[in-house]
Amino acid sequence: QEQLVQSGAEVKKPGASVKVSCKASGYSFTGYHMHWVRQAPGQGLEWMGWINPNSGGTNYAQKFQGRVTMTRDTSISTAYMELSRLRSDDTAVYYCAKADGWLLRYWGQGTLVTVSS
Amino acid sequence: SYVLTQPPSVSVAPGQTARITCGGNNIGSKSVHWYQQKPGQAPVLVVYDDSDRPSGIPERFSGSNSGNTATLTISRVEAGDEADYYCQVWDSSSDHHVVFGGGTKLTVL
Repeated sequence: QEQLVQSGAEVKKPGASVKVSCKASGYSFTGYHMHWVRQAPGQGLEWMGWINPNSGGTNYAQKFQGRVTMTRDTSISTAYMELSRLRSDDTAVYYCAKADGWLLRYWGQGTLVTVSS
Repeated sequence: SYVLTQPPSVSVAPGQTARITCGGNNIGSKSVHWYQQKPGQAPVLVVYDDSDRPSGIPERFSGSNSGNTATLTISRVEAGDEADYYCQVWDSSSDHHVVFGGGTKLTVL
């Protein structure tokens, strides 16, 4: 069945970068956009952007423009989200989610990124 | 950018009906999707395209959308329905962006 498996928790210092991976299985990786959503502790869901795994095209939320980069490796059906110049308020659980049109049908298990000095 | 407004909390007794609203300007013209998130877990799609249910989601979950309000209705509420619920739309006017509501905590009394 369709599955998204994300990389493990990360602890980073302010100013550093983090790269989270999301390995897809059970469906055609290049056939569906992959979105990234984050959730700060005790807060709601915040959409970050999407990548088209077929073309590599991306679309980022304005808030993250210039700090986020979404990429993919089709040979291993894996999407990546890299966030740079980390701040303490970037501490959050980061999710990848397979899109079906404009709804997010399947989600990864989440990756906790902690930013602390 | 497009804004979705949800009540922070809704409380209901077991066996009763819970209604969670999602307000937005002319939201009736958009397709609304709803996600359930339990503590420590990833969100799960429970209603899509206003009123359709993914396979495996109980019929107790239903949705509607008209005018400026979309509604998720949970009938015969069970203790296991206690969770956060988020509405979501695609905002075609802002360069193909996804928008989430702020979320509603459903408490089963």
